[in-house]
Amino acid sequence: QAGLTQPPSVSKALRQTATLTCTGNSNNVGNQGAAWLQQHQGHPPKLLSSRNNNRPSGISERFSASRSGNTASLTITGLQPEDEADYYCSAWDSSLSAWVFGGGTKLTVL
Amino acid sequence: EVQLVESGGGLVQPGGSLRVSCAASGFTFSSYWMNWVRQAPGKGLEWVANIKQDGSEKYYVDSVKGRFTISRDNAKNSLYLQMNSLRAEDTAVYYCARDFYLWGQGTLVTVSS
Repeated sequence: QAGLTQPPSVSKALRQTATLTCTGNSNNVGNQGAAWLQQHQGHPPKLLSSRNNNRPSGISERFSASRSGNTASLTITGLQPEDEADYYCSAWDSSLSAWVFGGGTKLTVL
Repeated sequence: EVQLVESGGGLVQPGGSLRVSCAASGFTFSSYWMNWVRQAPGKGLEWVANIKQDGSEKYYVDSVKGRFTISRDNAKNSLYLQMNSLRAEDTAVYYCARDFYLWGQGTLVTVSS
């Protein structure tokens, strides 16, 4: 099953802004939106944004999600050392009747 | 406390079977779709299967169709994944997840001779 496309790595300086992208198609991201998850090494993932771009309670306002067509984006402002992690997008694919994940983006905060 | 706790992982030979479980607490388990998501060592997340609140709908990733079965027991607040005909490529940490918002700590399944 085809997954979503994410850049393998992004590097940004402390206190700068990072924008992570996730490209799918009209059956998944374009139709259903994408969720965003953060995962630190050795820990389970944490939901940052649901498919409708809402942040769960307790998630910093520095994380914001958006979508344009078949591409979803996660913007992280004021980068902090603790933001260094792997970030995954996920969407329900209506043609596959399956959730698909992106390969993940490793964010490095310099 | 709202939590999910997986159990049942371990070492199994290729072609063997294993059942992993997920115990839910602190929320109304029967009100939610539930998912299994796995992560091979050093790799990304892969969704495996999900099941509707009453068990009437189940969906699977292509690579496990016909080999894995997801089920639930709402009376016991438990989710299960029966894994048969296991392959080396099924080696992973298996997480249960609710809405992708609530995750367990995962249980490691290793398929090796």
